[in-house]
Amino acid sequence: GDSVTQMEGPVTLSEEAFLTINCTYTATGYPSLFWYVQYPGEGLQLLLKATKADDKGSNKGFEATYRKETTSFHLEKGSVQVSDSAVYFCALRGALNNLFFGTGTRLTVIP
Amino acid sequence: GAGVSQSPSNKVTEKGKDVELRCDPISGHTALYWYRQSLGQGLEFLIYFQGNSAPDKSGLPSDRFSAERTGGSVSTLTIQRTQQEDSAVYLCASSLSAGRDEKLFFGSGTQLSVL
Repeated sequence: GDSVTQMEGPVTLSEEAFLTINCTYTATGYPSLFWYVQYPGEGLQLLLKATKADDKGSNKGFEATYRKETTSFHLEKGSVQVSDSAVYFCALRGALNNLFFGTGTRLTVIP
Repeated sequence: GAGVSQSPSNKVTEKGKDVELRCDPISGHTALYWYRQSLGQGLEFLIYFQGNSAPDKSGLPSDRFSAERTGGSVSTLTIQRTQQEDSAVYLCASSLSAGRDEKLFFGSGTQLSVL
């Protein structure tokens, strides 16, 4: 069945460090891919998305490229800030239009 | 209201009792999703509705779990004969449709504790 596998955390980085959170997927057909973020004390919200191969989603300095050949959608940011501390979830919209999430990766950025 | 509303926000119950969790989606949103978030388990898909019908019920953990949606709006998730392993945050989300690039709007969740 459709699923996403996400890099386990937690991840702790110093401010201005480079961030990568790995995400790979298994799906039939051509799913849409998403990153959602959950800031402390807040609900989940969409961070970025890509709906077809080679699309790059970007928002708030974060980027992820839909790589069909490696079935991946890794999240990257060149210079993280303390305010980026949150839990990040990779997600896939499957063939039945349901939405599956990974297990989440907790990021802590220290000054 | 402007967002997805879930009630109650917290529910403490005794093992073996039934509970009902409610979700009010954003007005006009046709798709509604239920997830369970357990410590260290991420977000577990339970069920989703397109209108009043549920194209995918495959995530419901057991026959103790059921969900319905009436009038294309409010949904209730019912857990019968609750067990301690049912303790989790139950999240509801809605989207304008179930289209492939539609984003979900999440509620704040119901924290369920089964004693």
